[in-house]
Amino acid sequence: SAVISQKPSRDICQRGTSLTIQCQVDSQVTMMFWYRQQPGQSLTLIATANQGSEATYESGFVIDKFPISRPNLTFSTLTVSNMSPEDSSIYLCSGSGTSGPTDTQYFGPGTRLTVL
Amino acid sequence: EDQVTQSPEALRLQEGESSSLNCSYTVSGLRGLFWYRQDPGKGPEFLFTLYSAGEEKEKERLKATLTKKESFLHITAPKPEDSATYLCAVQAGNMLTFGGGTRLMVKP
Repeated sequence: SAVISQKPSRDICQRGTSLTIQCQVDSQVTMMFWYRQQPGQSLTLIATANQGSEATYESGFVIDKFPISRPNLTFSTLTVSNMSPEDSSIYLCSGSGTSGPTDTQYFGPGTRLTVL
Repeated sequence: EDQVTQSPEALRLQEGESSSLNCSYTVSGLRGLFWYRQDPGKGPEFLFTLYSAGEEKEKERLKATLTKKESFLHITAPKPEDSATYLCAVQAGNMLTFGGGTRLMVKP
């Protein structure tokens, strides 16, 4: 299994500012993903972070709002840009390897973001 | 479009009172069905993967089963430390689609 850490664990930000969240995996993983979990809700996939190329975004999420980088196989960042209170959420990253036909995704502890 | 529905949304049990959580799904080309446990303020913790109908997996007081349309997470003689939100997710391609979760509360 992969152990995933995220920084920061929580932050309180002013509207109109941006926050970059870091995700570090303790071993190389093939796939990395970013999710959003709004209060009391389940997880919604934002995008797949692709190494060396642009991320693949899900419907309703755009690169200008959520730019993602993945410079190598163990690290990714998600930026939440021009924040509004509606962006208050928990942001989670996950990673999966190549251990079998269906790869388990392991999750980080999440970043709790509050936008005032 | 892949859909995952979990029921009930919330479940209160007394310690030792066994029960089951349900996960109904519709997906094109199921590659796997996953169960996760999520404690407040933490990320989801992997429990099980089921790949085909008829498959069962067990871990301590938990047992997961899979049919072509749904999965069950059976909890036998639960303890207060089993209190958490249990999430079900289906995988088609590389992405997971999550259900809304079942919030389980076990009272001593």
